[in-house]
Amino acid sequence: QVQLVQSGAEVKKPGASVKVSCKASGFTFSSYYMHWVRQAPGQGLEWMGIINPSYGSTTYAQKLQGRVTMTRDTSTSTLYMELRSLRSDDTAVYYCTRQTVSGAAFDIWGQGTMVTVSS
Amino acid sequence: EIVLTQSPGTLSLSPGERATLSCRASQSVSSNYLAWYQQKPGQAPRLLIYGASSRATGIPDRFSGSGSGTDFTLTISRLEPEDFAVYYCQQYGSSPTFGPGTKVDIK
Repeated sequence: QVQLVQSGAEVKKPGASVKVSCKASGFTFSSYYMHWVRQAPGQGLEWMGIINPSYGSTTYAQKLQGRVTMTRDTSTSTLYMELRSLRSDDTAVYYCTRQTVSGAAFDIWGQGTMVTVSS
Repeated sequence: EIVLTQSPGTLSLSPGERATLSCRASQSVSSNYLAWYQQKPGQAPRLLIYGASSRATGIPDRFSGSGSGTDFTLTISRLEPEDFAVYYCQQYGSSPTFGPGTKVDIK
């Protein structure tokens, strides 16, 4: 079935980096734009960026520019999101999600990866 | 960046009642680019409505979306026990943004 399976929870110290993976299955990986969205505890949803799996081209949210990198491995249909110089306010659940064919919504979501930043 | 505002913040209703949730944008949004999601505790969001009024696959017809320009509405015609959750609207202009959410809880 169509699904996105993410890597497990992470605990990091301030200033460290984290890399979250998202493995796609059940659909043609290169045919859909993919996004990352995060959600701080008890808060709303925040868009982080988009990657075109075919070409690897990316666009990031302005507030994360310079700290985030999104990549993909087409051989394994896996996405990666690396966030550097972690701060306590980066503590959140990180989701990968698939953009619909119509281009304006997110129809498939990973289960989420909890990243905790704490000294 | 287009800012979305949702009201009310919390809606307290009983099963069987009608729920009306509002989403207002800081500037006009193409109707094709307005979506609604449901999120339950500990779960990822689930797409309910895309294109302002089209139900996603498997979504019951008690959920409906309407609106255009800067004002959009999600209506749940008769609340079922599994509908008590947080609902987010989302737009996709130059970059996607989400509203702060409306919590629908049991009265």
